[in-house]
Amino acid sequence: QQQVKQSPQSLIVQKGGISIINCAYENTAFDYFPWYQQFPGKGPALLIAIRPDVSEKKEGRFTISFNKSAKQFSLHIMDSQPGDSATYFCAATRSMDSSYKLIFGSGTRLLVRP
Amino acid sequence: EAEVAQSPRYKITEKSQAVAFWCDPISGHATLYWYRQILGQGPELLVQFQDESVVDDSQLPKDRFSAERLKGVDSTLKIQPAELGDSAMYLCASSLSSGGANEQFFGPGTRLTVL
Repeated sequence: QQQVKQSPQSLIVQKGGISIINCAYENTAFDYFPWYQQFPGKGPALLIAIRPDVSEKKEGRFTISFNKSAKQFSLHIMDSQPGDSATYFCAATRSMDSSYKLIFGSGTRLLVRP
Repeated sequence: EAEVAQSPRYKITEKSQAVAFWCDPISGHATLYWYRQILGQGPELLVQFQDESVVDDSQLPKDRFSAERLKGVDSTLKIQPAELGDSAMYLCASSLSSGGANEQFFGPGTRLTVL
């Protein structure tokens, strides 16, 4: 029940295309869903996050879509660029309860071809 | 820009040896986390500190791992003795306070290889 399942494991997209990464969770207590971006040799960095009171959040070329009833959320990268090539992790937690830790998905390695 | 510092960046050791990793969080961050990231997987929390107190060490293998944050600032994670299965990236992160919605800032990690 604490798991966050992420797919696909790897993704290859042409420059200018749309990259889509999906995550699913079981624990209905989760109410905060961040996405992290990790470049080789670096630690993960927060990219964008959403709460379940909205169905979509957009920041630049990055959009999170959230489906509360299906307990699924996804990251869309519009106009994908080679510089977006990285590993992306979805995560989930209960924001107001400090006893809840951040649960990460297994990651998606994105390669954007020029 | 303030960053989380970690050292060493890489560590190669033989099994049964002791290893130690150091983390210096962003100044003013009360909460410090140690994660283990196995290749191809997401980070998994090992231990969380609020100031100098441990608030979650449920996933820390306490027979061989120990962590301390004596003055509530920098922290050390130790493994003794190291086992082959400990090979992984060890990430340190910090946040202003606890609670899942507080952004966690990660350091570059220490890549441990146990031979």
